[in-house]
Amino acid sequence: AQSVTQPDIHITVSEGASLELRCNYSYGATPYLFWYVQSPGQGLQLLLKYFSGDTLVQGIKGFEAEFKRSQSSFNLRKPSVHWSDAAEYFCAVGAYYNDYKLSFGAGTTVTVRA
Amino acid sequence: EAQVTQNPRYLITVTGKKLTVTCSQNMNHEYMSWYRQDPGLGLRQIYYSMNVEVTDKGDVPEGYKVSRKEKRNFPLILESPSPNQTSLYFCASTLAGGPGEQFFGPGTRLTVL
Repeated sequence: AQSVTQPDIHITVSEGASLELRCNYSYGATPYLFWYVQSPGQGLQLLLKYFSGDTLVQGIKGFEAEFKRSQSSFNLRKPSVHWSDAAEYFCAVGAYYNDYKLSFGAGTTVTVRA
Repeated sequence: EAQVTQNPRYLITVTGKKLTVTCSQNMNHEYMSWYRQDPGLGLRQIYYSMNVEVTDKGDVPEGYKVSRKEKRNFPLILESPSPNQTSLYFCASTLAGGPGEQFFGPGTRLTVL
């Protein structure tokens, strides 16, 4: 069964600084990988996804993520954080053998200080 | 507009009083799923449905029921709610053929007293 670990429960970053959120997955084959964002009181919005091909994927809102098979990681980055990026971020993995189920990490809450 | 809708958005109820949370999608998706979100645990799958009349248990199905009589609707039923079912619930849908983007509803915050 697949699983996801997000080692950082909470990150505080200054506006304009860079941000990196860590995600490690466990799965025996090539996974499908996703990052979702949840703003306060809102549902989940897809930031980006990786299925195959280029291991550096671009998403919405200026986010990117890099798939590193050797490290079983899919870290999310943004070069310059805006106050509106304060939210909870979830990494998720989907498996080939079960086409649709997503397993989510526990989430990382990002606080942006002025 | 393509969307997943859930109703109600907020619900406070008492132990043992049956309730239904509705979910509807207008994207003609085959796959639909229910998740619950709890602090520190992320989202965990309750039930899913691959198509009409096809449903199966997810990771935390105890205390829940679902049905899929129409493609667009996937209601979540709590026959006898208990306080440990107090949570934030999300419905999601996606096209069949592989784990593409799952579209999530706005969530239903349920409190069971």
